Amino acid sequence: EPEVTQTPSHQVTQMGQEVILRCVPISNHLYFYWYRQILGQKVEFLVSFYNNEISEKSEIFDDQFSVERPDGSNFTLKIRSTKLEDSAMYFCASSELRTMGAFFGQGTRLTVV
Amino acid sequence: QQPVQSPQAVILREGEDAVINCSSSKALYSVHWYRQKHGEAPVFLMILLKGGEQKGHEKISASFNEKKQQSSLYLTASQLSYSGTYFCGTASGNEKLTFGTGTRLTIIP
Repeated sequence: EPEVTQTPSHQVTQMGQEVILRCVPISNHLYFYWYRQILGQKVEFLVSFYNNEISEKSEIFDDQFSVERPDGSNFTLKIRSTKLEDSAMYFCASSELRTMGAFFGQGTRLTVV
Repeated sequence: QQPVQSPQAVILREGEDAVINCSSSKALYSVHWYRQKHGEAPVFLMILLKGGEQKGHEKISASFNEKKQQSSLYLTASQLSYSGTYFCGTASGNEKLTFGTGTRLTIIP
């Protein structure tokens, strides 16, 4: 069964460093998303990406964040100058159409120290 | 503004039924339901689109009343595997999905 894969599963970084979280969405999906979940809290939308550009972003997704689809398979989230409060589980998701459900990857646990 | 889910938590015995509600203050285009087990990713259950439809998935079904901006998830004859936190996600016409705070469901034998 096709699935969304994310790497790494866990990343520890020092405050102020840049991190890149990687995702391989399901191959025939057209919409890609990043979400984050702070431990014990709800899932929060960060950004959606369609047709090689950002289609929607939340208030959380400020200039510190960027997304890229560098090739036909990968979808990355870059966080510049990480802060302690960026520590969370980051989920990548993809969907075939906007009106279809999104399938989530297993997440990358980011710990900023 | 995030949708409001109720109840926040529920404990059931195996075989019992449950209803989880999700309501929004905004006009909705779609409602998505997900289940997340501890330490795992959310798993998509179903999506309901504007039109007031009802969908089913084995013993889990859902309804969407767009006039009331509400959706309900129905779990019948619950099984141990249904345990987890259920999130509704609402969209108002774009890709931004806003999740509720979740309903923690515990099924006991």
